Amino acid sequence: DVKVTQSSRYLVKRTGEKVFLECVQDMDHENMFWYRQDPGLGLRLIYFSYDVKMKEKGDIPEGYSVSREKKERFSLILESASTNQTSMYLCASRGTGGYSPLHFGNGTRLTVT
Amino acid sequence: GEDVEQSLFLSVREGDSSVINCTYTDSSSTYLYWYKQEPGAGLQLLTYIFSNMDMKQDQRLTVLLNKKDKHLSLRIADTQTGDSAIYFCAESLTGGGNKLTFGTGTQLKVEL
Repeated sequence: DVKVTQSSRYLVKRTGEKVFLECVQDMDHENMFWYRQDPGLGLRLIYFSYDVKMKEKGDIPEGYSVSREKKERFSLILESASTNQTSMYLCASRGTGGYSPLHFGNGTRLTVT
Repeated sequence: GEDVEQSLFLSVREGDSSVINCTYTDSSSTYLYWYKQEPGAGLQLLTYIFSNMDMKQDQRLTVLLNKKDKHLSLRIADTQTGDSAIYFCAESLTGGGNKLTFGTGTQLKVEL
């Protein structure tokens, strides 16, 4: 079974702090994704990566950056956290091929005060 | 552009059938998926359908796809309290890279 592990379930940070959210997958998937989930808005794609050191902006990249130094690890960085970044963050990975579904981690609930 | 819409809430009685609906705007969808999210957890793949199919059945789940109307539905037969969750539809597009676009999610509440 594919396992996608997010390092923290809950995080509380202060406005202006630099925040790192870490995600690791164990299935050698090329593709990794960061989504945020907000009530009534569903999942919105922040950034994704096709391969090591490659990254693509999603629909809402402002205020975020990412890092993919190793194939199994994809980090989301909030350079200067703001209260409107309080949300549930979901990491996912996917193999190549048309059918391949996304496999999700359990999420990190970030609160910025 | 890509836009996937779902109603936000659905309430059913235990034992009844549930039907969760989804509409999408991009006709170049290749695969469409249904995911389930239980409280405090990530999303779990329930089922999927290829865009050249009209229907797919998997135990209590039936997926119907009307490509002309760009309408996807998930029917859960004999709904149980354990089915209470948020259900998301998602589409994968031709030429869309490897990303999926998700709907807003439907909160299904199963009452006794």
